[in-house]
Amino acid sequence: GQQLNQSPQSMFIQEGEDVSMNCTSSSIFNTWLWYKQDPGEGPVLLIALYKAGELTSNGRLTAQFGITRKDSFLNISASIPSDVGIYFCAGPLQKLVFGQGTRLTINP
Amino acid sequence: NAGVMQNPRHLVRRRGQEARLRCSPMKGHSHVYWYRQLPEEGLKFMVYLQKENIIDESGMPKERFSAEFPKEGPSILRIQQVVRGDSAAYFCASSPISTSGGPSRSYNEQFFGPGTRLTVL
Repeated sequence: GQQLNQSPQSMFIQEGEDVSMNCTSSSIFNTWLWYKQDPGEGPVLLIALYKAGELTSNGRLTAQFGITRKDSFLNISASIPSDVGIYFCAGPLQKLVFGQGTRLTINP
Repeated sequence: NAGVMQNPRHLVRRRGQEARLRCSPMKGHSHVYWYRQLPEEGLKFMVYLQKENIIDESGMPKERFSAEFPKEGPSILRIQQVVRGDSAAYFCASSPISTSGGPSRSYNEQFFGPGTRLTVL
């Protein structure tokens, strides 16, 4: 079955730093979704990507759909304390396959 | 516009009992998905339903688990004779339409509820 490899598994950064994480798939995806999950809550959709090469922003978040259609990247600029949480990549559609998550911790 | 609703938020059962998890999709959404999440892991797809139809149940365990989405009322995920390994967070998601149609691509996005945390003693 489809597998997603998400990295890094965890990040410890200082407030104000930029963050980058990525996700690779064992097969071609036609859609990439990025979610954030806070403790005890469900995933919240941050950005959806539908076209190879597409670059989409949502505030301080920017995500890109890789040209090979087997990877995607999420960047967070100027991190703030409320960015703490677990970030998941997912795709392609319907039966979403999720990455293992990137746990982001911010030191004030 | 209320989001996806799930209840109960927390459910404790003893081994051998039944667990019933409920999900009300967002208004205007006719597609429901159930996922399971174990601690420190990503979500795993279980089942995809439309009203009165199971579209894809390839992620459902073959025994003890069932799901329905009746014409009226919420979607129900039912686990019979629970075992300790069933302890997990169960999430429901909804979308307006499947990948096969819709006037815009945003119709394919899934929105998640807050989850039901099942603990089996």
